[in-house]
Amino acid sequence: EAQVTQNPRYLITVTGKKLTVTCSQNMNHEYMSWYRQDPGLGLRQIYYSMNVEVTDKGDVPEGYKVSRKEKRNFPLILESPSPNQTSLYFCATAMMIPFTDTQYFGPGTRLTVL
Amino acid sequence: GQQVMQIPQYQHVQEGEDFTTYCNSSTTLSNIQWYKQRPGGHPVFLIQLVKSGEVKKQKRLTFQFGEAKKNSSLHITATQTTDVGTYFCAGPAGAMRFGAGTRLTVKP
Repeated sequence: EAQVTQNPRYLITVTGKKLTVTCSQNMNHEYMSWYRQDPGLGLRQIYYSMNVEVTDKGDVPEGYKVSRKEKRNFPLILESPSPNQTSLYFCATAMMIPFTDTQYFGPGTRLTVL
Repeated sequence: GQQVMQIPQYQHVQEGEDFTTYCNSSTTLSNIQWYKQRPGGHPVFLIQLVKSGEVKKQKRLTFQFGEAKKNSSLHITATQTTDVGTYFCAGPAGAMRFGAGTRLTVKP
């Protein structure tokens, strides 16, 4: 079954405590992306990756890091989380034929930074 | 930078009425995608439009891509309670920008 998994699904943390949200896909997709969703603002892209070892900034990359060491995983790293990073985060994946086709979204990670 | 704007922000309809949401980009888009997100859920891909002037239908849903590839619309005929959710447009591929979405509620 085609799947995009995110972990954890819910996380409450404190300011400054480094955290990683994992994203994994089993569809052999080249493209992976992270979004944050905030009320009234829709989805905003944080980072995306067209393939292994290739990452690019989206609209709101400040305070986030990503890595794409292997095709199936695209972790989102918050080195020093702050309360303004409290949000709902989605990972998404797609094939590239030649541009992104259907994006499959993970179930989301609800992050609260106190 | 490029902006993707979507209107209206909210739409409340009686079941059986039609619904339309509009999407406008500040720049020409190579393609545009539409998504639906149910309350508490994740966005689900509906369709991708690529060609200028393209019209695609999925049952009661009709999607259009403008001739200039800067605007798009989603029209739902005879809404049902299962249509409830937020509809987003997004584009272009890669560095993707989403509209803020149109939240549709349907009164039975």
